[in-house]
Amino acid sequence: DGGITQSPKYLFRKEGQNVTLSCEQNLNHDAMYWYRQDPGQGLRLIYYSQIVNDFQKGDIAEGYSVSREKKESFPLTVTSAQKNPTAFYLCASSGGPGGILTFGAGSRLTVL
Amino acid sequence: EDKVVQSPLSLVVHEGDTVTLNCSYEVTNFRSLLWYKQEKKAPTFLFMLTSSGIEKKSGRLSSILDKKELSSILNITATQTGDSAIYLCADGHQEKLTFGTGTRLTIIP
Repeated sequence: DGGITQSPKYLFRKEGQNVTLSCEQNLNHDAMYWYRQDPGQGLRLIYYSQIVNDFQKGDIAEGYSVSREKKESFPLTVTSAQKNPTAFYLCASSGGPGGILTFGAGSRLTVL
Repeated sequence: EDKVVQSPLSLVVHEGDTVTLNCSYEVTNFRSLLWYKQEKKAPTFLFMLTSSGIEKKSGRLSSILDKKELSSILNITATQTGDSAIYLCADGHQEKLTFGTGTRLTIIP
């Protein structure tokens, strides 16, 4: 079945540690996105990529980094510079600009 | 900067009621408005509304785009407990979507 796989589903991190969230899609979509969801705040865009080896900052990119070395993969690293990293992280992909997004099941990160 | 505002933030109704969720947007060069349903984890696509498609319907759910008022509504008739979810509205005019805060709908049996 085609879809998006995010891992891990749950992750606990100590302050000062970097963590990487995985996102893999087999939909052959060009565009991939990372959103952060906090209670009562909807989805906020962290980074997005329209094509391999290229990505752009979203509205809240500070403290995060990404790479897009393969079409299928768009990992997100939450660095120690992110001041409030505890959140639910959603990865998505689409077939083109403004297109319908397909979401993964999300990764919940908790910083202890 | 694009802005999408949803109301109400939360809504609690009894099973069988009809509900209307609201979404307003402030964007330049409008292209599309999308509705998603998020039950637990992954949001799932409901509707896309554009200038050429201002009304969509699927079963008990329907949505209308008002281009003059820069808003959209999502109607759910004869609500069921399975309709309990967060409903998200998003503007899709750029290469990325801008989401509203969502409306949390709770259906009481």
